[in-house]
Amino acid sequence: AQSVAQPEDQVNVAEGNPLTVKCTYSVSGNPYLFWYVQYPNRGLQFLLKYITGDNLVKGSYGFEAEFNKSQTSFHLKKPSALVSDSALYFCAVRESGGSYIPTFGRGTSLIVHP
Amino acid sequence: NAGVTQTPKFQVLKTGQSMTLQCAQDMNHEYMSWYRQDPGMGLRLIHYSVGAGITDQGEVPNGYNVSRSTTEDFPLRLLSAAPSQTSVYFCASSYSTGGLYEQYFGPGTRLTVT
Repeated sequence: AQSVAQPEDQVNVAEGNPLTVKCTYSVSGNPYLFWYVQYPNRGLQFLLKYITGDNLVKGSYGFEAEFNKSQTSFHLKKPSALVSDSALYFCAVRESGGSYIPTFGRGTSLIVHP
Repeated sequence: NAGVTQTPKFQVLKTGQSMTLQCAQDMNHEYMSWYRQDPGMGLRLIHYSVGAGITDQGEVPNGYNVSRSTTEDFPLRLLSAAPSQTSVYFCASSYSTGGLYEQYFGPGTRLTVT
């Protein structure tokens, strides 16, 4: 079985400061990991993914995520937050070789204050 | 490409009424899914399809029906609407890129059942 947890319902950060949105996962085998962003009244948009290889993955809009196998984590990061980054962020996981359907976390609301 | 389109954007139903939420994609994606999004619950999978003529149940299928007669279309039918089906519904499509199945989401349908 595959599962994902986003331990924070909300993250607050000041504009210009670094941000981290946390995600931990559980799969039986190797994970494929994804981050999606949802702006108000919109559908989810793909941000980045981890397949294999380099543990630091770079994605859209200056976001990056760090894969940590020992801690089963895939935290989303950005060096300098923008007010326009305020949105709902979803982490998702699927097991390599398993169902094509990913499991989504409950989402973390990121609020960037001016 | 229009990507994934959903109609209507908003809908209000009375308890017991039936309706169909439309979803179409023009990317020739093999896989399509329906999710519902409720506050604090994240995304929950309703039904999915791995190709024309093939559908399967997800996590919360009760009260919903689907069919996939073409690659492009994947309508979701509410058989007898209930207030518990008040939610935002998202359709998604995906294809296999090295086994990743990255998902593309529609803009959503906001449904209220009174």
